[in-house]
Amino acid sequence: EVQLVESGGGLVQPGRSLKLSCLASGFTFSNYGMNWIRQAPGKGLEWVASISSSSSYIYYADTVKGRFTISRDNAKNTLYLQMTSLRSEDTALYYCARERASFDYWGQGVMVTVSS
Amino acid sequence: DIQMTQSPSFLSASVGDRVTINCKASQNINKYLDWYQQKHGEAPKLLIYNTNNLQTGIPSRFSGSGSGTDYTLTISSLQPEDVATYFCLQHSSRPRTFGGGTKLELK
Repeated sequence: EVQLVESGGGLVQPGRSLKLSCLASGFTFSNYGMNWIRQAPGKGLEWVASISSSSSYIYYADTVKGRFTISRDNAKNTLYLQMTSLRSEDTALYYCARERASFDYWGQGVMVTVSS
Repeated sequence: DIQMTQSPSFLSASVGDRVTINCKASQNINKYLDWYQQKHGEAPKLLIYNTNNLQTGIPSRFSGSGSGTDYTLTISSLQPEDVATYFCLQHSSRPRTFGGGTKLELK
């Protein structure tokens, strides 16, 4: 059974940093591209970043480019999102999702709240 | 970036009704259009990929159609468990972009 479990969220002050993790199981992690997608409270979905299976291709939304870094460790079956210079508008539930062109499996999400 | 305009934003229907939700892309997305269902407090779930392909385990009352810039999700006979918010997603080009969502409630 495919499982994606996010962790690392919490309350953080504006301008500070936070690192999210997504532990994958039930499939060969190194064969799939992975993504971070977020959802602000009561809002729609916003794609944040994606990384190819071997980390050769990385893409970011303009809203996070230069502040967030996506990475992965295929030996540990783990996806990461390093978030720096956090802003109040980054407050959201962050999901990791497996990509087969479509986002076919999603984690349950981890909440990030940016507030002083 | 490709803009996805989803309509309606809110929909109220009765059990057994035929329901349609629409997404319009700002340019041709060549059928690279998915539909996701998000129930309250849950992660989104893939329903339909590439316009009209039903994801494994999804009931056959869900179907998708469309081409070019215009796409439709149809629920042939609404069931109580279909109460959710539905999103479309284009994966024709990067950045991937979602529609604004349709909140479906029972009348």
